[in-house]
Amino acid sequence: AQSVTQLDSQVPVFEEAPVELRCNYSSSVSVYLFWYVQYPNQGLQLLLKYLSGSTLVESINGFEAEFNKSQTSFHLRKPSVHISDTAEYFCAVSENNQGGKLIFGQGTELSVKP
Amino acid sequence: DAGITQSPRHKVTETGTPVTLRCHQTENHRYMYWYRQDPGHGLRLIHYSYGVKDTDKGEVSDGYSVSRSKTEDFLLTLESATSSQTSVYFCAISESTSGRTQQFFGPGTRLTVL
Repeated sequence: AQSVTQLDSQVPVFEEAPVELRCNYSSSVSVYLFWYVQYPNQGLQLLLKYLSGSTLVESINGFEAEFNKSQTSFHLRKPSVHISDTAEYFCAVSENNQGGKLIFGQGTELSVKP
Repeated sequence: DAGITQSPRHKVTETGTPVTLRCHQTENHRYMYWYRQDPGHGLRLIHYSYGVKDTDKGEVSDGYSVSRSKTEDFLLTLESATSSQTSVYFCAISESTSGRTQQFFGPGTRLTVL
């Protein structure tokens, strides 16, 4: 069965520092991987996704994630964070033939301090 | 932003009372989902719908029922609310059930059961 583990529930970091939010998944078949972001008191928005092809995917606001099949990981990184990146980040996985259902990780709360 | 609204946005109710949450979309997407979000659990799927009058159970469906009489509306009902159903509820929509397809989320409903 699918599962997703986000290894850190909270990540405090200073502005302009690099950050990595870790995500590992388990699945016996090929998967599609997503990172969603939730700003305070809002719904979830898609940040980036891996479907196929290049294992490194990027978002428009400077985040990137790398799909590592051998380590079953999809860690999210940003070289220099801003105060506005403060949010909760969710890793999610889906498979073909599963009705489009997403399995989410527990979430990582990123707190960027000045 | 995808045209998804949820109502009410906040609700406080008492144990044992029935509660209905509404999700309304203007995107004409066929597929709709209800999730609950709880600290330490991420988002978990309650029920989903593949079309009008076509619904199925998700991971945490006990105590919940759903109905979809129109493409644009997906209702979630707690027949007799319990304190364990205190949570934030999110509706999501998608264009297909392919695992590659992004889901779009509503703003959420915060439900408190006293």
